[in-house]
Amino acid sequence: QSALTQPRSVSGSPGQSVTISCTGTSSDVGAYNSVSWYQQHPGKAPKLMIYDVSERPSGVPDRFSGSKSGNTASLTISGLQAGDDADYYCCSHAGSYIVIFGGGTKLTVL
Amino acid sequence: QVQLQESGRGLVQPSETLSLSCAVSGYSISRGFYWVWIRQPPGEGLEWIGHLYHSGVTSYNASLKSRVTMSVDTSKNQFSLKLTSVTAADTAVYYCARSDLTRLDYWGRGALVTVSS
Repeated sequence: QSALTQPRSVSGSPGQSVTISCTGTSSDVGAYNSVSWYQQHPGKAPKLMIYDVSERPSGVPDRFSGSKSGNTASLTISGLQAGDDADYYCCSHAGSYIVIFGGGTKLTVL
Repeated sequence: QVQLQESGRGLVQPSETLSLSCAVSGYSISRGFYWVWIRQPPGEGLEWIGHLYHSGVTSYNASLKSRVTMSVDTSKNQFSLKLTSVTAADTAVYYCARSDLTRLDYWGRGALVTVSS
């Protein structure tokens, strides 16, 4: 199972919006509404930000939103803040109880 | 509050077996959910190693399947990972986490395991 495809890096200025894409196939992202997104700061464990494509866990700001079209899922962060500077990973169920991650995207807040 | 904590040897010799445990507090493993191991080589991305259900049923990453064994000890409320015949490529931070197959909602802090002689 190949990793999901994410851009290596994205950037934006405070207050702006950025979108991170996550492209899979019709066997994973396209087949299931089980895409989740994780934020990871250096030296820390990943933190769940979005699940089931667009659901936010309690405590995650509504500046974070998720969507999916076909085999591509997206994470949009609006009103960028300095604390959003981190790595972001998408994750998808891939059938037969298998899970795959994206390669990760480094978000730089300029 | 659910908490997970990894433990195990931080240095493993090449060709030996990596062994880690994950102690869970705030939730009884026997109640349900999938219990997951994930790793992250230095400077790289996340890799799903596999998971097990509280009943002991497992599912592993195909690329590691021949070397991985996961088990659960409900009496201690912990689960374990064994990875045999390790090489330098297995050097990584190993995380344990809880999952319902749609999300990994609780994570441990991670344990760095270095494979070196």
